[in-house]
Amino acid sequence: AQRVTQPEKLLSVFKGAPVELKCNYSYSGSPELFWYVQYSRQRLQLLLRHISRESIKGFTADLNKGETSFHLKKPFAQEEDSAMYYCALSPYNQGGKLIFGQGTELSVKP
Amino acid sequence: EAGVTQFPSHSVIEKGQTVTLRCDPISGHDNLYWYRRVMGKEIKFLLHFVKESKQDESGMPNNRFLAERTGGTYSTLKVQPAELEDSGVYFCASSQGPAGEQYFGPGTRLTVT
Repeated sequence: AQRVTQPEKLLSVFKGAPVELKCNYSYSGSPELFWYVQYSRQRLQLLLRHISRESIKGFTADLNKGETSFHLKKPFAQEEDSAMYYCALSPYNQGGKLIFGQGTELSVKP
Repeated sequence: EAGVTQFPSHSVIEKGQTVTLRCDPISGHDNLYWYRRVMGKEIKFLLHFVKESKQDESGMPNNRFLAERTGGTYSTLKVQPAELEDSGVYFCASSQGPAGEQYFGPGTRLTVT
């Protein structure tokens, strides 16, 4: 079965602290993985995708095929990082549809 | 350039009524996707259009849902008759190619009472 699991519904950290949002997936092939973010009163938008191997807004995510994980990390959280974060998987050769996790709400306190 | 737009932003209807949601993708985007988030659950894929053709409708919950994309431009998603469990937020997204970045609309919040 194709599934994405985000074990934390809510993650609360203080400004300047490191943050790690966990994402595990279940997929038999080679998936494409994404992190999407939804800031308050804004639409869902792509944060990063594993094939680009970029760092966006200080966030990075490494695909670990052995652990089937794609955790999102940032060394120093900022208040403006507070948002809903969704990990998503796109199965190979299935038209680009996305399978989402349940989302993690990140709250960065001053 | 305008992003993906959806109309209405919010709809409240009674069980048994019909509702039609509309999505206007970014101009030139052949790929259009519908998703929905039911309260407390994850965002789920409903279907995928390439131009006017349904490429994948494996996520459509049942035959009360009908999606169209006549002319390969905007798309509509009709729910007839609506049931209580259809309440949720319906998102539309578009992309240039199937592997391209998906741009999401603001969503339509559907409440069935």
